Amino acid sequence: AQKVTQAQTEISVVEKEDVTLDCVYETRDTTYYLFWYKQPPSGELVFLIRRNSFDEQNEISGRYSWNFQKSTSSFNFTITASQVVDSAVYFCALSDNTGNQFYFGTGTSLTVIP
Amino acid sequence: GAGVSQTPSNKVTEKGKYVELRCDPISGHTALYWYRQSLGQGPEFLIYFQGTGAADDSGLPNDRFFAVRPEGSVSTLKIQRTERGDSAVYLCASSRSFYNEQFFGPGTRLTVL
Repeated sequence: AQKVTQAQTEISVVEKEDVTLDCVYETRDTTYYLFWYKQPPSGELVFLIRRNSFDEQNEISGRYSWNFQKSTSSFNFTITASQVVDSAVYFCALSDNTGNQFYFGTGTSLTVIP
Repeated sequence: GAGVSQTPSNKVTEKGKYVELRCDPISGHTALYWYRQSLGQGPEFLIYFQGTGAADDSGLPNDRFFAVRPEGSVSTLKIQRTERGDSAVYLCASSRSFYNEQFFGPGTRLTVL
């Protein structure tokens, strides 16, 4: 069965602190895709990153970085020098190799305090 | 470039009524997904279209829910005999193909009284 677990329900950090959002997934597929989405207070989900199961290279995009480790089935997301605008709910998602279904975690609500 | 649009943005209905929720995907996107998001939860998959056909409708909770995409672009999610438990935000997303990122619409907030 496919499953995504985001154990952190809510996180609060002070502006400029670094914060890591955890994502652990379960799948029996050898080919799959992992995603992170941001849902700001306005409500619309915004795509952040996609990773396929064969690419374990970590990625950095500005203040955002992602650490994909197949050995621990984790795809963690780090925000460096957090800003108030980073306050949102962040979702990790998993898709199988058919792309027919996407499985979302329950989300982590991040609050950055000025 | 227009994003995914959904209408109405809010829908209030009474228990037992029929509702239709519309999704206009990004032009050229062949894949279209419907999700339901309850408060404090992640989006829950309902149905996936590839072109005009429903490639996977296993997420539809029961036969009161039905969705169509007759011309491979606009999709309508239909809910018959609505129940209070159907109250949620219904999200639509489209993508170029199944392995590409999905672009989400703003959602339709359905409230069943």
